[in-house]
Amino acid sequence: GAVVSQHPSWVICKSGTSVKIECRSLDFQATTMFWYRQFPKQSLMLMATSNEGSKATYEQGVEKDKFLINHASLTLSTLTVTSAHPEDSSFYICSALGQGATEAFFGQGTRLTVV
Amino acid sequence: AQKVTQAQTEISVVEKEDVTLDCVYETRDTTYYLFWYKQPPSGELVFLIRRNSFDEQNEISGRYSWNFQKSTSSFNFTITASQVVDSAVYFCALITNAGKSTFGDGTTLTVKP
Repeated sequence: GAVVSQHPSWVICKSGTSVKIECRSLDFQATTMFWYRQFPKQSLMLMATSNEGSKATYEQGVEKDKFLINHASLTLSTLTVTSAHPEDSSFYICSALGQGATEAFFGQGTRLTVV
Repeated sequence: AQKVTQAQTEISVVEKEDVTLDCVYETRDTTYYLFWYKQPPSGELVFLIRRNSFDEQNEISGRYSWNFQKSTSSFNFTITASQVVDSAVYFCALITNAGKSTFGDGTTLTVKP
């Protein structure tokens, strides 16, 4: 299957700082990327959908000013957690969908710990 | 709206036992895909199987087998002769053509030696 790479795999940051997570499709062009969040011992919940070159669509309850999503190219989407707080500590994972494709591929995820 | 239900929150078995993880889904879409993923303690999602809504053939891959019953909207996963390395959280997921994934709450499988 296609390869989606997420970076970093884990990050620890201080409360109040911002953290950027990258999601790259390595061998295909991803017209759509999805960002999910998974709290400990819970399922994965969709946060937002981003299409290349346009604004992301956020799911209900997700603060768009706190979780900034940029999908500036067909191979890269970034999620920036701004002014991070301990409650933002979670596992963030992206998936990428190619144009005309019917299957999205997942990155390996990023474990964020805010101290 | 889509929904995936994994009624079993936790399952514990002894090594070499067979175990079945249940998955029931709801969708109004006629075309969709069903997946099973394994999530070990390290956190990454490991792809196990993908099935489209038009393919009800059951599949066997080594010790793993899947039973897709469209009539009951179920996509159950069986591990035969379980091993300690099978211990993980298993997620069933439903994906539509738009690419959005809806995950079940996961089943934590513990295989004891």
